[in-house]
Amino acid sequence: GAGVSQSPSNKVTEKGKDVELRCDPISGHTALYWYRQSLGQGLEFLIYFQGNSAPDKSGLPSDRFSAERTGGSVSTLTIQRTQQEDSAVYLCASSSRTGLLSYEQYFGPGTRLTVT
Amino acid sequence: QQQVKQSPQSLIVQKGGISIINCAYENTAFDYFPWYQQFPGKGPALLIAIRPDVSEKKEGRFTISFNKSAKQFSLHIMDSQPGDSATYFCAASMQGGSEKLVFGKGMKLTVNP
Repeated sequence: GAGVSQSPSNKVTEKGKDVELRCDPISGHTALYWYRQSLGQGLEFLIYFQGNSAPDKSGLPSDRFSAERTGGSVSTLTIQRTQQEDSAVYLCASSSRTGLLSYEQYFGPGTRLTVT
Repeated sequence: QQQVKQSPQSLIVQKGGISIINCAYENTAFDYFPWYQQFPGKGPALLIAIRPDVSEKKEGRFTISFNKSAKQFSLHIMDSQPGDSATYFCAASMQGGSEKLVFGKGMKLTVNP
């Protein structure tokens, strides 16, 4: 079956602009995660969705970052007024959260964001 | 505070050799320990995972060893192949709540032919 997909694969934006990153999880997966991967900080958790709710937003670095999920499927991560330090690869992962395999998270290919 | 510490940062082995990557964790509430493999330009791919009720898990050439009392776990890659050259991440999470993954810093493995 199809894996996690993300779009765009690459995004170059000017400092101060807003960007939207999209994630399509594996069909039927109720849990969705956003992580950020940067050279200095490694892989960091940003936000977790169960269905359309986000009970854990503890990793969002500032109020410029927000995310939503609709229909228990597609999620969008929005970064407002982008800064150069936002440059990173943004990764989405999904998990079934059911049964014995509930922990397993499957990652998409990521969106490489470059802020100039 | 780095909750999962991974070592070494990089490793070079010859084809057919054994690659060993070590991780240590601090939070005793962690109860799930996966390893991910990442190739350049790709997302991390789940390789193998273990829970604290077992001390070892083997899948093909990959083995996880787990030491609960020492709060350490390691990945062994037997008969390393050039195609294994990638970055490897250990991670940990805990049941309940978000079950978010806490990652180590990663280790770049190079397997020479």
